[in-house]
Amino acid sequence: EAGVTQSPTHLIKTRGQQATLRCSPISGHTSVYWYQQALGLGLQFLLWYDEGEERNRGNFPPRFSGRQFPNYSSELNVNALELEDSALYLCASHVEGGLMNTEAFFGQGTRLTVV
Amino acid sequence: AQSVTQLDSQVPVFEEAPVELRCNYSSSVSVYLFWYVQYPNQGLQLLLKYLSGSTLVKGINGFEAEFNKSQTSFHLRKPSVHISDTAEYFCAVTTYSSASKIIFGSGTRLSIRP
Repeated sequence: EAGVTQSPTHLIKTRGQQATLRCSPISGHTSVYWYQQALGLGLQFLLWYDEGEERNRGNFPPRFSGRQFPNYSSELNVNALELEDSALYLCASHVEGGLMNTEAFFGQGTRLTVV
Repeated sequence: AQSVTQLDSQVPVFEEAPVELRCNYSSSVSVYLFWYVQYPNQGLQLLLKYLSGSTLVKGINGFEAEFNKSQTSFHLRKPSVHISDTAEYFCAVTTYSSASKIIFGSGTRLSIRP
């Protein structure tokens, strides 16, 4: 069974551009979480999608947005890129509508570099 | 709202020595607790979890953690570490809520010296 897949693995953008990151959850999982892992800042919660809807959002500006498609894959869009957006972006999937009692499965991440 | 604090950003230990990585949480409701490990250039994988029942939880790779409700702690321990345990370790908490999300600590980098 395929795990959580993220693409691209690396992305280089210039300041002011837009970035689109993609995540495919494990088959049968309906929830997708996005996290930002910036150097020295640990994991910061970005967004949670379940059954196609945004369920919760972290403390990030509106230029961070996303969506979940009918097949439960998800996109994270970052507009008007800033240098401090450079980070590893991790996607996690879960089978229920929240991480109540089973583990989340993580992808390998997309390394976004803004120059 | 819940939060997680990992008191040590880095923990250096010698190979075959014991290690404890500290985690404290705060929450006004019952919590579920997790430890995840991130090896270099990889995503996160679950080490162990506490949902209910026995407060001593055993995980993969010889790690264990103890849930202490009175001290609001969930410290991770291993009696004898190996070079391959070099990684970043994240404590995480969530609550039973339809709007819940998993909150991660800032991480502890475990470095093993030969």
